[in-house]
Amino acid sequence: ETGVTQTPRHLVMGMTNKKSLKCEQHLGHNAMYWYKQSAKKPLELMFVYSLEERVENNSVPSRFSPECPNSSHLFLHLHTLQPEDSALYLCASSQDLWTSGRNEQFFGPGTRLTVL
Amino acid sequence: AQTVTQSQPEMSVQEAETVTLSCTYDTSESDYYLFWYKQPPSRQMILVIRQEAYKQQNATENRFSVNFQKAAKSFSLKISDSQLGDAAMYFCAYRIPNSGGSNYKLTFGKGTLLTVNP
Repeated sequence: ETGVTQTPRHLVMGMTNKKSLKCEQHLGHNAMYWYKQSAKKPLELMFVYSLEERVENNSVPSRFSPECPNSSHLFLHLHTLQPEDSALYLCASSQDLWTSGRNEQFFGPGTRLTVL
Repeated sequence: AQTVTQSQPEMSVQEAETVTLSCTYDTSESDYYLFWYKQPPSRQMILVIRQEAYKQQNATENRFSVNFQKAAKSFSLKISDSQLGDAAMYFCAYRIPNSGGSNYKLTFGKGTLLTVNP
C-alpha cells in the first residue's frame, strides 16, 4: 500500500448504529486530518492530529469521535448520526503542522457515508 | 472571512482543446500558497499545481499552468491539450504559512466539475 488509504470505501448505516472509519498513511507523516465533503460545499476540516495529539476540533458534534493511536493511523468513530451527516469523509496527511514551506496534504480516496 | 470563489460550477472542453478554470480568493495576508487539486471520479484528491505568492513567475506542470494575478487575487488554471483523463472536479485552495496555530489550514473553493468530450 502506498499513500493514504481509507476503509471502508462505502458505508451505509442507520441512525442508531455505531461504525468506524479507518485511515492509514504510508508516507511517514506526522500530521493527519479528517475532512467532510458535502455536495456543492467547500471541504470542511473536522479534526487535526499531530503526533497522535489532537490539535483542532473544528466545532464537530460529539457523535463524531476521532482516535489517533499512532502517527500512521486515524479513526473516526460514528454513533447516532443524522441523515445530514451523509457525505464523503476524506482523510489526509502531511509532513507536520508547522513547516511553512512545502508541506502539502496528501488525501485518501474517502469513505462515502450514507445515513438512513 | 477568508474565502475562495470558483465561479464556474461546471465546465466542458473538447479533447485536445484548452480550458481555463477560474478562481478568486480573499485574504489580507501577503504571503501564502495557492493550490489546484484534482478529484477524479475515483475520488482520490491529488495536487495538480502549486504557486507561492511571493513568486511572480506563473507555475507550470506539463499541460497545466496557472495565471496568478496577485493584485486581483486571481489564480486561474489552464489545461492545454485536454485529455479524457482530465475529467474531474477541480478545487482551488490556499494556505497561509507562519500563521501561528493554523499554519496548516487549507481554505477550499466549492470546486469546478470539468467534463472532457471526445
